[in-house]
Amino acid sequence: DGGITQSPKYLFRKEGQNVTLSCEQNLNHDAMYWYRQDPGQGLRLIYYSQIVNDFQKGDIAEGYSVSREKKESFPLTVTSAQKNPTAFYLCASSTRSSHLSYNSPLHFGNGTRLTVT
Amino acid sequence: KQEVTQIPAALSVPEGENLVLNCSFTDSAIYNLQWFRQDPGKGLTSLLLIQSSQREQTSGRLNASLDKSSGRSTLYIAASQPGDSATYLCAARGAGGTSYGKLTFGQGTILTVHP
Repeated sequence: DGGITQSPKYLFRKEGQNVTLSCEQNLNHDAMYWYRQDPGQGLRLIYYSQIVNDFQKGDIAEGYSVSREKKESFPLTVTSAQKNPTAFYLCASSTRSSHLSYNSPLHFGNGTRLTVT
Repeated sequence: KQEVTQIPAALSVPEGENLVLNCSFTDSAIYNLQWFRQDPGKGLTSLLLIQSSQREQTSGRLNASLDKSSGRSTLYIAASQPGDSATYLCAARGAGGTSYGKLTFGQGTILTVHP
C-alpha cells in the first residue's frame, strides 16, 4: 500500500541534544512538507520541498533543518537551538507543488510525538 | 496574512444527529479549501477538497460547501455515528500575496458523537 511512514512514533530526548525525525513516502510525490502541531493551534509549516535537493523555509523554520537527497525521504532535524521542541510533528506529501498543482490534496503520515526534557 | 478560524472548538451530539462544522478565512484569494479528519495521536486524513470554482463537494454522508466571497466553508455530516468522533480541520490554500501556495490551517473542531 502506498503511504507516508514516520518513525519513530514517540521520541524522547534531553535538552541540548539534536534529534532527527524520519519521513518516507512511496507515493511518488515530488513535494514534501513538515508541520508542527501544538495543542489548541493549527498546523504550522516548518519546511517544505518541491523537488529533490531543494527545500524552502516555512513559517517557523528557526531551530530546524532538513535535507532532501532522495525523492522518497525528507528527514527533519530538531536542533538544540529550537526553544520549544516538544510537539507533535507531521510529515505530508503531494504531487508537485507548482502553480499547476496547487489543487492536489495533501497526504499525511501518522506523526511523531517528540518530548524534550 | 491568511487566518483560518473554526467554530465551534468542540461539539458533542447524540448519535443520528445531523451537524454542521464551520470554517472561516480572512483572504478570499484561495485555490481551494480542504477538510481533514484527525484521530487522537494520528495524522490527518483528507476528507474533501473544494476547488475555488466549486460550491460544494460530497462524499458519502459528508458534504462540504464553499462561499469564497463571504470567506466561509461548512462541513455537513449527516446521520452522525460514534465512529465520526474525531478532530476536524479545514485548511485554505492561498492564491495571492504572502499566502500564495501556502496551506493555512484552522485550529480544528473536536467532535464527539455519543451513543
